[in-house]
Amino acid sequence: QSVLTQPPSVSAAPGQKVTISCSGSSSNIGNSYVSWYQQLPGTAPKLLIYDNNKRPSGIPDRFSGSKSGTSATLGITGLLTGDEADYYCGTWDSSLRAGVFGGGTKLTVL
Amino acid sequence: QVTLRESGPALVKPTQTLTLTCTFSGFSLSTTKMCVSWIRQPPGKALEWLARIDWDDDKYYTPSLRTRLTISKDTSKNQVVLTMTNMDPVDTATYYCARMVVPAAIDYWGQGTLVTVSS
Repeated sequence: QSVLTQPPSVSAAPGQKVTISCSGSSSNIGNSYVSWYQQLPGTAPKLLIYDNNKRPSGIPDRFSGSKSGTSATLGITGLLTGDEADYYCGTWDSSLRAGVFGGGTKLTVL
Repeated sequence: QVTLRESGPALVKPTQTLTLTCTFSGFSLSTTKMCVSWIRQPPGKALEWLARIDWDDDKYYTPSLRTRLTISKDTSKNQVVLTMTNMDPVDTATYYCARMVVPAAIDYWGQGTLVTVSS
């Protein structure tokens, strides 16, 4: 059971928008930056969003992040079939003194 | 260019100790705020954060595995080593090492190494 809670799956049509939620607590999301990772099948995760809403160089602005209280959200607009992947949120838990991830969300672009 | 590469045995027997080495380039673990973490992923399952070592040699472990894990670094060799004792088939997973610059996210990942625990 993951410390951070994500929906197991989401789906949407090409060109549409989707959001993925990540719920935590005051000891993790509530007082730490949230990051988001994309994992394409058979590959290592890739950083999509850091510091709640910043994009690394090379990540298109179709990807966005936000945080409110103890929850965070990843948004993806203009969905492409190539966006089909597993998405994970992650942060630091100050009570556990450890990193934590969500259980992952599988995105299907119908 | 930052790169990380995991190395170690592909197969270990139950009760054995696993030793994994992360060899990296493109940054120094003696630079302030630089860290290396280990994360694993059982087949078909979610990411699980395991351990982290910082530039100042601070070490952190996931509570559920704290008694079995040891992380260390050799700054001169640009290597981080993770040992996990008393391996069990449930520890079968792809093990990743990754770079983090505190307090930001894990920004670079290794390709991962699959470790299977079986007799």
